[in-house]
Amino acid sequence: DAKTTQPPSMDCAEGRAANLPCNHSTISGNEYVYWYRQIHSQGPQYIIHGLKNNETNEMASLIITEDRKSSTLILPHATLRDTAVYYCIVRGSNDYKLSFGAGTTVTVRA
Amino acid sequence: ETGVTQSPTHLIKTRGQQVTLRCSSQSGHNTVSWYQQALGQGPQFIFQYYREEENGRGNFPPRFSGLQFPNYSSELNVNALELDDSALYLCASSLVAEGPYEQYFGPGTRLTVT
Repeated sequence: DAKTTQPPSMDCAEGRAANLPCNHSTISGNEYVYWYRQIHSQGPQYIIHGLKNNETNEMASLIITEDRKSSTLILPHATLRDTAVYYCIVRGSNDYKLSFGAGTTVTVRA
Repeated sequence: ETGVTQSPTHLIKTRGQQVTLRCSSQSGHNTVSWYQQALGQGPQFIFQYYREEENGRGNFPPRFSGLQFPNYSSELNVNALELDDSALYLCASSLVAEGPYEQYFGPGTRLTVT
């Protein structure tokens, strides 16, 4: 019951910005966009979340379009350690679960 | 601050057996969620515990059950193991308050059923 669409894979060069797109055209007004990533054989790691304003933290920036139907996660300076599966998740503030889709496999190349 | 821990890290069981997996929440967190991740797929929600009560459940049969203890640690029990139960089992803890909250995951327990 994932509500998001992400490309299955993408490559990016080490040191460059990585821009990860996500479509969530059926998002409703009280639903947030969350991003998690999962490095091979580890538990998912929380990255960032937002409602309608752009957000930035020490890991990444989240850009949400004005109509909220899509968003982009930006890793400003990708390193080899950013190679992972990135999950975009739409979730209401009272939802008790995270609904993971297939995610985007990001490979950072030297 | 101690993160989420899970035990054991790996486990091999035989079909039909029972298994108990354990999770210790991150300090200050009051909620635990369990997820199953089959190879090559995203994690699937099993259930969540809040204040020692099941707070929500995914599409898993009753042979998947859980407990939350007063210190907010948790157990996942699976009876009558099937081959398809082979997966990475993830525990996530959160502090549930008003508004959105993040879930912080442990490293997982790799269960193999033969």
